[in-house]
Amino acid sequence: KNEVEQSPQNLTAQEGEFITINCSYSVGISALHWLQQHPGGGIVSLFMLSSGKKKHGRLIATINIQEKHSSLHITASHPRDSAVYICAVGGETSGSRLTFGEGTQLTVNP
Amino acid sequence: EPEVTQTPSHQVTQMGQEVILRCVPISNHLYFYWYRQILGQKVEFLVSFYNNEISEKSEIFDDQFSVERPDGSNFTLKIRSTKLEDSAMYFCASSGERGYTEQFFGPGTRLTVL
Repeated sequence: KNEVEQSPQNLTAQEGEFITINCSYSVGISALHWLQQHPGGGIVSLFMLSSGKKKHGRLIATINIQEKHSSLHITASHPRDSAVYICAVGGETSGSRLTFGEGTQLTVNP
Repeated sequence: EPEVTQTPSHQVTQMGQEVILRCVPISNHLYFYWYRQILGQKVEFLVSFYNNEISEKSEIFDDQFSVERPDGSNFTLKIRSTKLEDSAMYFCASSGERGYTEQFFGPGTRLTVL
């Protein structure tokens, strides 16, 4: 059974700051997902990655498979980035379950 | 842009009643999932479905739960006799072709059991 740990649990930043959220997992995986959950509850997929680094706008996600660790970075943070960011890992077969971390509540103040 | 839809957005029911939560996955997707999130807790996997059968289920998905794809577009989760602890947000997700691909989530159905 995979355990997914995220840190920090809560993060408050000032607008413009560089944000890093970390995720560690215990068992080898096929892919890791970063998701964003808005106050209304909806979940949006930000990244799926199995190696290296991906970038989309101001968001950057990296993964180190050997160390079983991933980071999500937000550059030039903005109040609209305020949300819960969730790391989830998937097993090694098609259609396999995602195992979720607890999430990181990010608040960006103007 | 194609998206996963769910109905209703909020369902209130009495303990012991049956509820059916409905999802319309993205049309060319092959894998379908249900997850739930109890208020204040992390998202948990319930079940995955492929080729008209359950491919994986969690310990939570007991005999009170069932899933069905009654036609080419809908994917439903039935809870036969709801309990107070079934109150949660239920998310449907779908993913595409074979191989490991991104899962797309619906907006969720908030189920409140009284």
